[in-house]
Amino acid sequence: KQEVTQIPAALSVPEGENLVLNCSFTDSAIYNLQWFRQDPGKGLTSLLLIQSSQREQTSGRLNASLDKSSGRSTLYIAASQPGDSATYLCAVYALNYGGATNKLIFGTGTLLAVQP
Amino acid sequence: GAVVSQHPSRVICKSGTSVKIECRSLDFQATTMFWYRQFPKQSLMLMATSNEGSKATYEQGVEKDKFLINHASLTLSTLTVTSAHPEDSSFYICSARDLNGHSNQPQHFGDGTRLSIL
Repeated sequence: KQEVTQIPAALSVPEGENLVLNCSFTDSAIYNLQWFRQDPGKGLTSLLLIQSSQREQTSGRLNASLDKSSGRSTLYIAASQPGDSATYLCAVYALNYGGATNKLIFGTGTLLAVQP
Repeated sequence: GAVVSQHPSRVICKSGTSVKIECRSLDFQATTMFWYRQFPKQSLMLMATSNEGSKATYEQGVEKDKFLINHASLTLSTLTVTSAHPEDSSFYICSARDLNGHSNQPQHFGDGTRLSIL
């Protein structure tokens, strides 16, 4: 069974710091991995998508890496800002998991607080 | 970018009421839509996959008679929580994938519906 775990569960940093969020998954049979942002009481905003054949993706101050063989991904946020405060979720798109339709399996999330 | 609209954003109603939540893809066609449930401080759990013109596929443990899903067009899917009870109170989020999107394309999410059953 595919399980996705995120560490740490919560993180508080001062503004301007660079930080890394971690995501691990138990089954390397994935199509891709996505990082999302969720603000309180809101839906999800897609940040980055990494295909299974890729090693990393970058968007602005965000950089996501993928090591499929070890079942790990990291989201690097440079020069953090108070506006980055949110819950960050990673999700893997699993390949025909358990015989069912391919589906997105979410991690437990990291609650990030950037202090001004 | 692709937009998914979910309505209503918040519902408060009495126990026993049935509640319908709509999910629309505004600028693209979606053959497949997904319904998720999220409890406080927890991650998203997939409830069912909705396919246009056919029956939804429910995840294990999700009652199909309790959570009715209809996907009548390429831009609209509805989730009806029938005879809702306090334990059904949760945050429900829909997601859609573009008609031409393959597994290598991102899913687009609505803003969610906060359901509170008194």
